[in-house]
Amino acid sequence: DAMVIQNPRYQVTQFGKPVTLSCSQTLNHNVMYWYQQKSSQAPKLLFHYYDKDFNNEADTPDNFQSRRPNTSFCFLDIRSPGLGDAAMYLCATSRDRGTGTDTQYFGPGTRLTVL
Amino acid sequence: GQNIDQPTEMTATEGAIVQINCTYQTSGFNGLFWYQQHAGEAPTFLSYNVLDGLEEKGRFSSFLSRSKGYSYLLLKELQMKDSASYLCAVMDSNYQLIWGAGTKLIIKP
Repeated sequence: DAMVIQNPRYQVTQFGKPVTLSCSQTLNHNVMYWYQQKSSQAPKLLFHYYDKDFNNEADTPDNFQSRRPNTSFCFLDIRSPGLGDAAMYLCATSRDRGTGTDTQYFGPGTRLTVL
Repeated sequence: GQNIDQPTEMTATEGAIVQINCTYQTSGFNGLFWYQQHAGEAPTFLSYNVLDGLEEKGRFSSFLSRSKGYSYLLLKELQMKDSASYLCAVMDSNYQLIWGAGTKLIIKP
């Protein structure tokens, strides 16, 4: 089945220790997104890739970086996690953007705990 | 600014019908999405409306009125597994998804 996969599902890190979350997709979609979602809040878009073009949201902290080495994979790097970065991190994909095929499909998420 | 409003929480009875409303003010409009999100899980896509009217998909229906900036999600024959948060999201003129905070639906036997 075509899907969006995130690893790990649960990640524990220490304050200030770099962490990388991964996302892969078998949908062959052009667009990949990273969201941060805290309890009872709306998902907050951090950035997205349209193919290899990286698009950073204006209010995404510099502490968050992303890489997309190929169509299937996308990584979220948190360089120095703070306690406020504890959240669910959601990866999503869409076939395209701005053409009517924009429905986003989500992976299961990675819940990050910062100690 | 851009804004999506939906009730924080609703309670309904198993077997009944519930309507979850969503109002929006956005810079442009390129469609409205409803997602279901169970606690601790990722959102799953339910419906997409870009034209006015009702879209029916099994027990779930979604309605849109662009002139009123209004949508609702209608859930029929409620089941316990429908207990979840329901997120309304609007795609603006820049094809950016603007998300509501979600409506937590509690189903009671």
